Amino acid sequence: ETGVTQSPTHLIKTRGQQVTLRCSSQSGHNTVSWYQQALGQGPQFIFQYYREEENGRGNFPPRFSGLQFPNYSSELNVNALELDDSALYLCASSLGGARYEQYFGPGTRLTVT
Amino acid sequence: ELKVEQNPLFLSMQEGKNYTIYCNYSTTSDRLYWYRQDPGKSLESLFVLLSNGAVKQEGRLMASLDTKARLSTLHITAAVHDLSATYFCAVDPAGGGTSYGKLTFGQGTILTVHP
Repeated sequence: ETGVTQSPTHLIKTRGQQVTLRCSSQSGHNTVSWYQQALGQGPQFIFQYYREEENGRGNFPPRFSGLQFPNYSSELNVNALELDDSALYLCASSLGGARYEQYFGPGTRLTVT
Repeated sequence: ELKVEQNPLFLSMQEGKNYTIYCNYSTTSDRLYWYRQDPGKSLESLFVLLSNGAVKQEGRLMASLDTKARLSTLHITAAVHDLSATYFCAVDPAGGGTSYGKLTFGQGTILTVHP
């Protein structure tokens, strides 16, 4: 059973550009959540996808969007990048439902200059 | 809005000493998670606490949950250098079957264990 993987590991973008981050869920997991962790802070919930539909969103603007594919892999897209978007982006997958733990991927470190 | 507060935020300990990290939260929940994070790394799951009175222990760490007081504790016994890391608690607010997994994290406690 493979764990949660994310790509790329690191990337550097310029303010105003767009970026796509990818997450491959743990085998059989139908729920994926994305988090943003700024330096020195706890992770903040961005949104969750369950069976390809958005299933809740945190306090993030619409320029943060996502997709979940039939194989339950997922993308996080950020448009019009701002300097404050620099952070570690974590995805977490789970089986969904009431009692299932989330498993976090290794993260993507995004730097916006 | 759910708020999760940890204290202390910084903890410097001597090896062999005991200490407790506290996690208070502001709304009803019966599930709480503790994670460890090493610098530049992702989150490592330590404990999943799913009911009032839950207590779990792994090695030198023990976590407990009091849902009535909205309080969880992470107790460290006889600290060793390898425990140096940042520790986060995270609360999953109560909800229906497909609403779980939207965690609210505390600010983190940076633990440094000195010889």
